[in-house]
Order: sequence, then C-alpha cells, then structure tokens
Amino acid sequence: KAGVTQTPRYLIKTRGQQVTLSCSPISGHRSVSWYQQTPGQGLQFLFEYFSETQRNKGNFPGRFSGRQFSNSRSEMNVSTLELGDSALYLCASSRDAPVGDTQYFGPGTRLTVL
Amino acid sequence: GQSLEQPSEVTAVEGAIVQINCTYQTSGFYGLSWYQQHDGGAPTFLSYNGLDGLEETGRFSSFLSRSDSYGYLLLQELQMKDSASYFCAVDSSYKLIFGSGTRLLVRP
Repeated sequence: KAGVTQTPRYLIKTRGQQVTLSCSPISGHRSVSWYQQTPGQGLQFLFEYFSETQRNKGNFPGRFSGRQFSNSRSEMNVSTLELGDSALYLCASSRDAPVGDTQYFGPGTRLTVL
Repeated sequence: GQSLEQPSEVTAVEGAIVQINCTYQTSGFYGLSWYQQHDGGAPTFLSYNGLDGLEETGRFSSFLSRSDSYGYLLLQELQMKDSASYFCAVDSSYKLIFGSGTRLLVRP
C-alpha cells in the first residue's frame, strides 16, 4: 500500500507570494491533518479534515487555509507569505479520526520564504 | 492552555535502557501517542496509550497515568539506529498536540 505523498517536496517563494501544497493520503484513509514543523516551535497542528469538512483548526492566522476533496486528497494554502512561514509542512492521514488512530505522516514539503 | 513537557535531550549507551518522560496539561484528553523522527525524515508512530498502564511493542514500551497527567516511553536494548527525536502527543478533539521533542543520542 502506498504511503502518504506530498508535493512538492521543496519550494522556494518570496515574501508576499502565495503557495499551495498538496497531500494524498493512504488509500482508504479519510482523515487528513496538517502540521507545521520549525526548529523553534516544534510540530504545530494546523487543521484536520474528514470527509471534506474541517473538524478542527489550530492557532494560525487566516492566511493559512485548507480543503479536502471527495477523494480525500487535501491541499493547504498560505497567502501573503512571511519569512516566518519557512518550515517543514507535514500532512498525516488516518483511517477514521486522528483520536486513537495511528497517524501516518508524509515526507513533508520544505518551504523556504526569502 | 495546553502544554506538554519532555526533556530536550537524552544520551545513552548502546544496549542500555532509556526512559523519556512526558507530562501534559490539556483539555479533552483521549490518549497519549509517541512518535519517532529521524533527522530529515517524517514522524513515525511508535505507541499509543488510551488507558492507564503499560503497552509493549517489541523493544519499546509506553506507560500512561491519567491521574498524574504523565506518561513515558521506555526503549530497551538501545541500538545506534534509535538515535532520533521522540515526541509525545496528546489526542485532543480531532487533533494531536505535540511536545517539543526529546533528542536521543545513542553512543557506542
């Protein structure tokens, strides 16, 4: 069974631009979560989607948004990029709900904002 | 607020046993998970405790005490490949809240 895939793997953008990251969950998994990982803040929860509905959201500004499609694939968008948005963005999928279920992480997208 | 505390760094010798502690303060607690992350890699699931007590999976064991808001990960027969960062994470209302991670260095 294929794992979680994320595209692109690396991205360089400049301040003020916007970016869209993509995540394809493991087949049969309907829950997709997004996390931001930085050396200073660690792994921080962005949002979680299940059956195209956002069920929970972390403490990030409105510039961070996401969506999920009917095939469970998910995208996250960051608008008006800031230098502090440079991070590894990880998505994770699970079968039903992230609570009590194993989350399987993708390799991440390394975003650098110049 | 919600917070998890775990040691930032632990060093141990190959073949030894190491325990990584995690204390948490959070609402809506469902369980405690542990993840391993090698440098440059993605976090991978190690263990989950939904109930109090010990869970054993091979060389790794994890413990939870809900009354003490405390858990730990125990790694036995340490191997060099166990050098990595270890994160505890609280299941809370459709999201995982991660601790800041413990960097484990295994020395020969």
